[in-house]
Amino acid sequence: GAVVSQHPSWVICKSGTSVKIECRSLDFQATTMFWYRQFPKQSLMLMATSNEGSKATYEQGVEKDKFLINHASLTLSTLTVTSAHPEDSSFYICSARRGVSSTEAFFGQGTRLTVV
Amino acid sequence: AQKITQTQPGMFVQEKEAVTLDCTYDTSDQSYGLFWYKQPSSGEMIFLIYQGSYDEQNATEGRYSLNFQKARKSANLVISASQLGDSAMYFCAMREGRRSSASKIIFGSGTRLSIRP
Repeated sequence: GAVVSQHPSWVICKSGTSVKIECRSLDFQATTMFWYRQFPKQSLMLMATSNEGSKATYEQGVEKDKFLINHASLTLSTLTVTSAHPEDSSFYICSARRGVSSTEAFFGQGTRLTVV
Repeated sequence: AQKITQTQPGMFVQEKEAVTLDCTYDTSDQSYGLFWYKQPSSGEMIFLIYQGSYDEQNATEGRYSLNFQKARKSANLVISASQLGDSAMYFCAMREGRRSSASKIIFGSGTRLSIRP
């Protein structure tokens, strides 16, 4: 079946540095990918919709300059957390669907970010 | 605005028993899709079952079935013959609007299911 791969699975970084998370669709092309954020024991909150070749669409309350999204190819979207702070520590997970008719959304393994 | 409500933060069930996880939703769209995902402690999201708003029959996938009551806007997940490996967080989710690779999926708050041996 379709697989979405996310890397890294976990990362620890110092406050003030930037962290890049990659999301790849391994056996299908994804014109659209989605980035979610999940705090401990909470639900997945949609952060943004990543569109190949164009700007990402951010959900209300999500800082565009803080969470940079690049979808440069049909199989890769990246989320960069810029100038990370401890409150950015969270579980970040991406998702993609194979095509228009696909009902299932495939998720990456998630990235646990800890900012110290 | 769309909304997914899961009113059971946690449930304990005896192994081999059936369990129903509740989910209600709110949308003004006529076309929408409903999902259930399982999230074990590892964090991965495992797709369980899907129901389209125009599907007349309730979806079933092995031990999972979705009790879709459109008039009540509910989409409860039924797990038959529960197993220890079913212990996890379960999320109900909804795709807004017509089926499209670009349509967003929003999630409920989740239910933590614990299976007792």
